[in-house]
Amino acid sequence: GQQVMQIPQYQHVQEGEDFTTYCNSSTTLSNIQWYKQRPGGHPVFLIQLVKSGEVKKQKRLTFQFGEAKKNSSLHITATQTTDVGTYFCAGPRAGKSTFGDGTTLTVKP
Amino acid sequence: DVKVTQSSRYLVKRTGEKVFLECVQDMDHENMFWYRQDPGLGLRLIYFSYDVKMKEKGDIPEGYSVSREKKERFSLILESASTNQTSMYLCASSAPGGSTDTQYFGPGTRLTVL
Repeated sequence: GQQVMQIPQYQHVQEGEDFTTYCNSSTTLSNIQWYKQRPGGHPVFLIQLVKSGEVKKQKRLTFQFGEAKKNSSLHITATQTTDVGTYFCAGPRAGKSTFGDGTTLTVKP
Repeated sequence: DVKVTQSSRYLVKRTGEKVFLECVQDMDHENMFWYRQDPGLGLRLIYFSYDVKMKEKGDIPEGYSVSREKKERFSLILESASTNQTSMYLCASSAPGGSTDTQYFGPGTRLTVL
């Protein structure tokens, strides 16, 4: 069945450094969603990408959807301590969603 | 404002007990989901429902059942709790149209089975 793989599992950065997490699907996706879960919190929707090659920005966050619609990335420029948490990608699968295992970001001040 | 609530933030039960986890959403969403979250394993789908009295198994339904008697409420039932069901349980709902819509998550219930 469809799998969504996410790497890396953990990333530790110094405040001000950039951060990228990658999401890869074994099948073509109609869309991909990104969520953020703060420590002790629950996943919160960030964005949805639908079109091949789509790029969307939210302040310091840049989201990309691959041309083949099988991969996606989230890039954070100049990380801040408020960026800490786990970032999940999710792709639709047979009427529900498949979540990646997430990338947990820690930021050292 | 969108709201998904779960009956308890923390719950401690004993092995063999029957456990009910309740989830209520106030957005008139048709789709509701139950996940469990464990370190290193991400979010794993237990059961989901697309309508009242309708349920579908997710990836790890063993040891669980669900109930959806009303549109706004989706209950997860552990018939006989076991220690390997100690986990964080997250409920989510989404708007009509299928799972490609945004999922709104509740705050989670951290269940410990002794």
